[in-house]
Amino acid sequence: EIVLTQSPATLSLSPGTSATLSCRSSQNVGIYLAWYQQKPGQTPRLLIYDATNRAPGIPARFSGSGSGTDFTLTISSLESEDYAVYYCQQRSRWPLTFGGGTKVEIK
Amino acid sequence: EVQLLESGGGLVEPGGSLRLSCAASGFTFSPHAMSWVRQAPGKGLEWVSSINNAGDTTYYADSVQGLFTISRDNFGNTLYLQMSSLRADDTAVYYCVRGAGSRFFDLWGRGTLVTVSS
Repeated sequence: EIVLTQSPATLSLSPGTSATLSCRSSQNVGIYLAWYQQKPGQTPRLLIYDATNRAPGIPARFSGSGSGTDFTLTISSLESEDYAVYYCQQRSRWPLTFGGGTKVEIK
Repeated sequence: EVQLLESGGGLVEPGGSLRLSCAASGFTFSPHAMSWVRQAPGKGLEWVSSINNAGDTTYYADSVQGLFTISRDNFGNTLYLQMSSLRADDTAVYYCVRGAGSRFFDLWGRGTLVTVSS
């Protein structure tokens, strides 16, 4: 099973600052990694797929990078609606797996 | 409107069974692989099971292999999850999602809560 390790567990940042979230895979997943956002009480939403592609309707301040085993989600200038939990997920190999999540909270 | 609507959740005793349904609308259901993802209270996301578009290939997490069965009705645009021998650690919100191994989860239902407790 491919294990995805997200860091840090929590990020405390002020609005307008940049957020950098990490996802490290225990095996090479190529580009087959996605990022999801989940706000409290809401359903997860696909943000980034295939490591770097923004899903339809996702603002340009969200960007993804990386390949192989190391991936990054960057939020260039945090807005109030960006405070949420972010999960990475791989579809390179069964079983499909998610990371444990990074919570981005208001500082 | 493009949506997935789950139903069938509820309170069940340990060892019991439950069948979840997911009605798809607003898009063509049959070409898409589908999955179930769950989230225990206060915890992260866990993939449970996937099925291909034809319904003849299925995948399961080790934790539910042999206990849960995923299926679909392409004529009725519905996805199912039959759950048996339920345990307390199966307590979670179960999400119906579009996507599986060949594509990411790009559409999520609102989820249905399954509580396993005596």
